Amino acid sequence: NAGVTQTPKFRVLKTGQSMTLLCAQDMNHEYMYWYRQDPGMGLRLIHYSVGEGTTAKGEVPDGYNVSRLKKQNFLLGLESAAPSQTSVYFCASSYEIDTQYFGPGTRLTVL
Amino acid sequence: AQSVAQPEDQVNVAEGNPLTVKCTYSVSGNPYLFWYVQYPNRGLQFLLKYITGDNLVKGSYGFEAEFNKSQTSFHLKKPSALVSDSALYFCAVRSSGNTPLVFGKGTRLSVIA
Repeated sequence: NAGVTQTPKFRVLKTGQSMTLLCAQDMNHEYMYWYRQDPGMGLRLIHYSVGEGTTAKGEVPDGYNVSRLKKQNFLLGLESAAPSQTSVYFCASSYEIDTQYFGPGTRLTVL
Repeated sequence: AQSVAQPEDQVNVAEGNPLTVKCTYSVSGNPYLFWYVQYPNRGLQFLLKYITGDNLVKGSYGFEAEFNKSQTSFHLKKPSALVSDSALYFCAVRSSGNTPLVFGKGTRLSVIA
């Protein structure tokens, strides 16, 4: 099993550009999450999903959109990137809203 | 609202000595408590959790944590630290129901040989 994978691993964007981060899990987990990690801020939840076709806002949802069209995939979109969105993004999944399994992260820089 | 505090940004300990990484929480109702570890350039890995039962929880890599309801704490401990334990440690909490985890800001553990 690959567990949780994230694509891409690194990305550099210019302000105003858009992009989509892909998270995939092969553990048949119902719950999936997107976090951002910034120095001194810990992990902050952006959006999450409790099942295929569902999404919900987390602590810092502004500027991001998500979709869960397939159970195994959870996409995070940035419509118009801003320098404040420079961060490391982590995806996670869990069977129930409990022990989470994390992907390796995507390092995004917005210039 | 639920919250978690890790009062120390950095903990330094000599190899072979016991280590403690502190965590306190605030939550309505019964807490679900977790510890995760992050090695450089990696995602977080689950260490242990407390849901109910024995206040002393044992987890991966020889770590354990003690739940103290009166002090609203869930400190991570290990009897004898290894250099390879050097990493970033996160405490997390949630209440019952479908509320997602809330993570602390992390504590960097440095074990010195």
